[in-house]
Amino acid sequence: QVQLQESGPGLVKPSETLSLTCIVSGDSLNSASSYWNWIRQPPGKGLEWIGYIQYSGNTNYNPSLKSRVTMSVDTSKNHFSLKLSSVTAADTAVYYCARRTAVFRHDRFDIWGQGTMVTVSS
Amino acid sequence: EIVLTQSPGTLSLSPGERATLSCRASQSISSSYLAWYQQKPGQAPRLLMYGSSSRATGISDRFTGSGSGAGFTLTISRLEPEDFAVYYCQQYGSSPYTFGQGTKLEIK
Repeated sequence: QVQLQESGPGLVKPSETLSLTCIVSGDSLNSASSYWNWIRQPPGKGLEWIGYIQYSGNTNYNPSLKSRVTMSVDTSKNHFSLKLSSVTAADTAVYYCARRTAVFRHDRFDIWGQGTMVTVSS
Repeated sequence: EIVLTQSPGTLSLSPGERATLSCRASQSISSSYLAWYQQKPGQAPRLLMYGSSSRATGISDRFTGSGSGAGFTLTISRLEPEDFAVYYCQQYGSSPYTFGQGTKLEIK
C-alpha cells in the first residue's frame, strides 16, 4: 500500500523559506512513470499545483511560483522535498504531496498525502 | 494557462437525486488528462475519475464522467449521504496543471 506523508514546520516567518518533505512508503521514487507533485490549498479556497519532480531530478514548476520554488529528490531516503522562499501570508495553506502515475490510458494523480498546514506569521 | 470553470458553484440536492456537475476549459484539452476529485472537510482530495471517464479504484459506479474538447461533466446518480462534499476538476495535459474552483454539493 503506497502512502505519502508530508512533514515540516507548521509555522514560518514572513520572508523566510518554507521547507517540506514528503516521505514515500510502499513505492520507490525510482520509477520513470512517476511524477512527484506538490499542491497547496489556502484555507477555504481551491487547489493550486506548485510543481513536480521526477527521480532523475527533472522538474516542472508553476510559472506563478517558479522564481521562489526549488524541489529536490533523495532516492536513498525515498523522499522528495519542497522549498519556497520569501514567503508571505499568501503562502499560508495546506500543502499536499501527490504521485502522478503516467501509464498509458491510466495516467492519474492516484496517491495523495494527508496534507500539512503551514502558516506564515511573525 | 488553461482556466477551468466549474458550475454551479453550489448545488443543493436531496439524497436519491441525480447530480450533474460541469467543468468547462478555456481551450480544448485532451480528455486523457481530465480528472475529478471529491474533497471533504479536513481531508485530502480523493481521486474519482481520470481520463475523463475512467473510475479510480474503489469508486462506485454511481459516478460517471463524460465529455471532450472543452466541456466535461461528472454525474452522480442516486445521491448517498456520503456524496455531499466539494468536487474539483483538474487538467494535467498542459503545464501549468490547473484545477477548477470547485462545486459544493450540499444537502437540500
